[in-house]
Amino acid sequence: KAGVTQTPRYLIKTRGQQVTLSCSPISGHRSVSWYQQTPGQGLQFLFEYFSETQRNKGNFPGRFSGRQFSNSRSEMNVSTLELGDSALYLCASSSVDRGLGEKLFFGSGTQLSVL
Amino acid sequence: SQQGEEDPQALSIQEGENATMNCSYKTSINNLQWYRQNSGRGLVHLILIRSNEREKHSGRLRVTLDTSKKSSSLLITASRAADTASYFCATGLKAAGNKLTFGGGTRVLVKP
Repeated sequence: KAGVTQTPRYLIKTRGQQVTLSCSPISGHRSVSWYQQTPGQGLQFLFEYFSETQRNKGNFPGRFSGRQFSNSRSEMNVSTLELGDSALYLCASSSVDRGLGEKLFFGSGTQLSVL
Repeated sequence: SQQGEEDPQALSIQEGENATMNCSYKTSINNLQWYRQNSGRGLVHLILIRSNEREKHSGRLRVTLDTSKKSSSLLITASRAADTASYFCATGLKAAGNKLTFGGGTRVLVKP
């Protein structure tokens, strides 16, 4: 099985722009989560989608949004980019549907730089 | 805010030695997991221990969980240069879907 695929791998944007990141989970996985990783704040949970519904949301402003499609692929969007949004954005999928905090499979991430 | 705090923040050892890192957390958990990350890449799941378990082994890894102290430890035995990475603990809560809360990580350097 192919792993979790994130595109693009690197992205450079300027302040005020918006960006869309894509994630394809492992085939058969219906849960997709997004995390932001920065040197200062570490790994922080953004949101989780399960069967096209947002099941959980972290403490991020409304500029951060996401969605999940019927094939479980997910996108996250950040509007009106700020310098502080520069980070590694990681997507993870899970095969377990109990929603009890199960093992996650991570993609390689999208490194976003905001200039 | 981070649920888990890891100790030490960095660790440097010689190949063949054991590496031990600790994780403390704040609230009741469903499970605790350990992940490895190589140099800004994605995280790789190492081991999961449930709240009703006290110890678990996987190859050269040994994890303990003490729910009364809200702490866990990860031991890597007979370390190799390839074990050089950052290690993160993550907690899963019963009412939080598949949301995991990660600690700050321990950077491990294994010198050949």
